[in-house]
Amino acid sequence: QVQLVQSGAEVKKPGASVKVSCKASGYTFTGYYMHWVRQAPGQGLEWMGWINPNSGGTNYAQKFQGRVTMTRDTSISTAYMELSRLRSDDTAVYYCARGLDGRDDYNPPFGYWGQGTLVTVSS
Amino acid sequence: NFMLTQPHSVSESPGKTVTISCTRSSGSIASNYVQWYQQRPGSSPTTVIYEDNQRPSGVPDRFSGSIDSSSNSASLTISGLKTEDEADYYCQSYDSSIIFGGGTKLTVL
Repeated sequence: QVQLVQSGAEVKKPGASVKVSCKASGYTFTGYYMHWVRQAPGQGLEWMGWINPNSGGTNYAQKFQGRVTMTRDTSISTAYMELSRLRSDDTAVYYCARGLDGRDDYNPPFGYWGQGTLVTVSS
Repeated sequence: NFMLTQPHSVSESPGKTVTISCTRSSGSIASNYVQWYQQRPGSSPTTVIYEDNQRPSGVPDRFSGSIDSSSNSASLTISGLKTEDEADYYCQSYDSSIIFGGGTKLTVL
């Protein structure tokens, strides 16, 4: 079965960077784009971007361009999302998510989600 | 980019039917598929409707989706409400980037 397992909670100071990992299993890692979505406390979902694990190509939401970097290591079926120059309003749960089988890569229904990683930015 | 506007909250009694709307601010609602998610507190979202009106396996047929070009909106309808349906619901669509609606809190009382 498809599983996305994320790294543990992080506490960072303003201005620092955070790198969240998402280890995939149960399917061919290079066959599906990996998206990242975040959710601030008590708020809605916000799409951050995707990485194509096959080519390494990326597409970031305009809001995060210049601050986010998505990478992958195909040898261990793991995707990464690094956010730099952290601010207090970056405090959120960060999710990796994969589309349902056979659906569009760019606007997929996210059928598989990681468990979420809480990133707290506080001085 | 466009916005997807949802009511902040809706409430209804068990056994009744509720409809949650998702209105697109610009561009046609029919131009890109709409997905719907359910999120219970402390859990990751799960898909309840995809590609406007398709149900993933395991989602009961009490859940249905539709789009209405005249109002430029999508709708999620839940019939035969159960207390377990109480959750936040989000719509999602696309136009060069993925956009989520602000979410609707459904209370079943």
